[in-house]
Amino acid sequence: KAGVTQTPRYLIKTRGQQVTLSCSPISGHRSVSWYQQTPGQGLQFLFEYFSETQRNKGNFPGRFSGRQFSNSRSEMNVSTLELGDSALYLCASSFPVSRGVLTDTQYFGPGTRLTVL
Amino acid sequence: DAKTTQPPSMDCAEGRAANLPCNHSTISGNEYVYWYRQIHSQGPQYIIHGLKNNETNEMASLIITEDRKSSTLILPHATLRDTAVYYCIVSPRDNYGQNFVFGPGTRLSVLP
Repeated sequence: KAGVTQTPRYLIKTRGQQVTLSCSPISGHRSVSWYQQTPGQGLQFLFEYFSETQRNKGNFPGRFSGRQFSNSRSEMNVSTLELGDSALYLCASSFPVSRGVLTDTQYFGPGTRLTVL
Repeated sequence: DAKTTQPPSMDCAEGRAANLPCNHSTISGNEYVYWYRQIHSQGPQYIIHGLKNNETNEMASLIITEDRKSSTLILPHATLRDTAVYYCIVSPRDNYGQNFVFGPGTRLSVLP
């Protein structure tokens, strides 16, 4: 079974631009979470989607947004990029708890490295 | 804030067992202990998780104390490829959109 895939893997943008990152979850997984990782702040939760609905959101400004499609694929968008948005953006997918699945173990993709100049 | 406390760094000789401790004194009855690792600039890799019983898989063993206030991840025969940052996380059984809260983790260096 293929893992979580993220595209693109690397991206360079300039301040003020906007960017869209894509995440394809593991087949059958319906929950997608996004995280930002920086050297100073570590891994921080951005938001989580399940069945096309945002269920939870971290403490990030409104410039960070996301959505999920009916096939569970997800995108996140960052508008008006700032230098501080340079980070590794990670996507994780999980299968909802059911009789056959005991926990919401999250499986991470390789990440998208965003550099803002 | 992370609900776990881990030592910032540890060294281990290649071929020896690596024992990584984690304190989670405020863990709730419905919260699982998860372990992930992150090799430089890659996405975190799931290792193992448990509730109260000890668990073992092909990668590692997880030992949880009887009071569930701490746990130890054991890599039985560490190799150079096990050099990574290891994260211990506690999270409810059914996340319902709750996020994983990552602390700074333990940087494990496996030495030749």
